Amino acid sequence: EAGVVQSPRYKIIEKKQPVAFWCNPISGHNTLYWYLQNLGQGPELLIRYENEEAVDDSQLPKDRFSAERLKGVDSTLKIQPAELGDSAVYLCASSRQGRETQYFGPGTRLLVL
Amino acid sequence: AQTVTQSQPEMSVQEAETVTLSCTYDTSENNYYLFWYKQPPSRQMILVIRQEAYKQQNATENRFSVNFQKAAKSFSLKISDSQLGDTAMYFCAFMKHKQNSGYALNFGKGTSLLVTP
Repeated sequence: EAGVVQSPRYKIIEKKQPVAFWCNPISGHNTLYWYLQNLGQGPELLIRYENEEAVDDSQLPKDRFSAERLKGVDSTLKIQPAELGDSAVYLCASSRQGRETQYFGPGTRLLVL
Repeated sequence: AQTVTQSQPEMSVQEAETVTLSCTYDTSENNYYLFWYKQPPSRQMILVIRQEAYKQQNATENRFSVNFQKAAKSFSLKISDSQLGDTAMYFCAFMKHKQNSGYALNFGKGTSLLVTP
């Protein structure tokens, strides 16, 4: 089966510009996660979806970050406006409902200049 | 909150040798899962092995095995017969257990493993 797909793989933008990341989870996976991975660190959760419902967004900086998962499949994570400190890798992962193993996409590496 | 500590930022091992990566965690939960993920330079995070806390038997996956010490809250990864392709960042991760729902993974900071010829 196809893995988690993310695009773009790389993005370079100037600060204050908007940026969006897209994720397509593994078919049949109800749960979708967005993680932020800073250089030299482990990933940290930004938001978790069960189907189309955001069930854990406590770590999402809501002043500039937003996310959606329309129809409970694909998801988009947006930053507006981007800041220099947002330079990081944004990872998407998915899992079957009630299952503990998460499968990760290749990530989007963002560089804010 | 759960914390995961990996005390070895970098390690190296020669090809065909055995290496052990350490991980400790702190939690008040009784039911949980522990994982080791591998992240090669291409950055795709890959599951290496997982352990359910209620199982006393240590998990094994081919050349990879864990030493799970629940009382000590320790979860080390042993890689036997190391191969050049094992070179990667290794992350230990913790997840609370809840039926019919997923939880986020809490990751350690990782251990960079270099396998040398």
